[in-house]
Amino acid sequence: NAGVTQTPKFRVLKTGQSMTLLCAQDMNHEYMYWYRQDPGMGLRLIHYSVGEGTTAKGEVPDGYNVSRLKKQNFLLGLESAAPSQTSVYFCASSRTGENTEAFFGQGTRLTVV
Amino acid sequence: GNSVTQMEGPVTLSEEAFLTINCTYTATGYPSLFWYVQYPGEGLQLLLKATKADDKGSNKGFEATYRKETTSFHLEKGSVQVSDSAVYFCALSALNTGGFKTIFGAGTRLFVKA
Repeated sequence: NAGVTQTPKFRVLKTGQSMTLLCAQDMNHEYMYWYRQDPGMGLRLIHYSVGEGTTAKGEVPDGYNVSRLKKQNFLLGLESAAPSQTSVYFCASSRTGENTEAFFGQGTRLTVV
Repeated sequence: GNSVTQMEGPVTLSEEAFLTINCTYTATGYPSLFWYVQYPGEGLQLLLKATKADDKGSNKGFEATYRKETTSFHLEKGSVQVSDSAVYFCALSALNTGGFKTIFGAGTRLFVKA
C-alpha cells in the first residue's frame, strides 16, 4: 500500500551540484505535482504534469526541471543547486485535476550549503 | 490569478475549545475547495473538501462550508483535542491554461494544550 513514494528523504548538496528527486505513485493517477514548503509560505507549486509525457510550470519553476517519461514517475531536477533551494520538497498525485484529492509523499528535506 | 489566504498562526487553544481557522480565496470560475492537515514529519493528507457553493465538507468533527458570496471556506471544530495539533492548509483546485492546478494557503499551525 505504497501510495506516493519520494526518494531520497534527506540530502545535503554543495552550491553548484546537481541532483534528481524521484517521485513514484502506484495509484495510476494522471496528475502529478512538485511543491516546495518553506516556513511562512506554505506550499508553492514548482511544476506539474497532467499526464505521461507532459509537464507545465507552476508558481516557482526557475532553477528546476522535470520529466514525466512514465505515468507512475515524476522527476524533479536541480541542475545547479543554490542555497535558496534549501527547502522541503513534496510530490503529490491526483486522479484528475478537478475535485479530486491529492495524495502526498513524505517529503524530501534538501539543504544546499 | 488564483490565490488562497488563510489566517496566520500559530493558534493556541486549550482542549475542548472551539476552533475557527479562516480561509478566503480568489479564483476565476468555480473552484473546488479543500482543507489538508499535516502532522509533524509527515506529508499532507486530505481532511475535507467541498466542490460547489453551499456544500459542507466534514470529517473527524471538522466542518467547512463553501461560501461563494464571501469567497470563504472557514474550518471549524466544536471541541479540539491535543491530537488535533498540526498544520492546516486551505487549498483550491481550479482550471488554468495548463490544466487544473491545486493552490495552497500558507498554512496555520494549531497547538492544543491539555
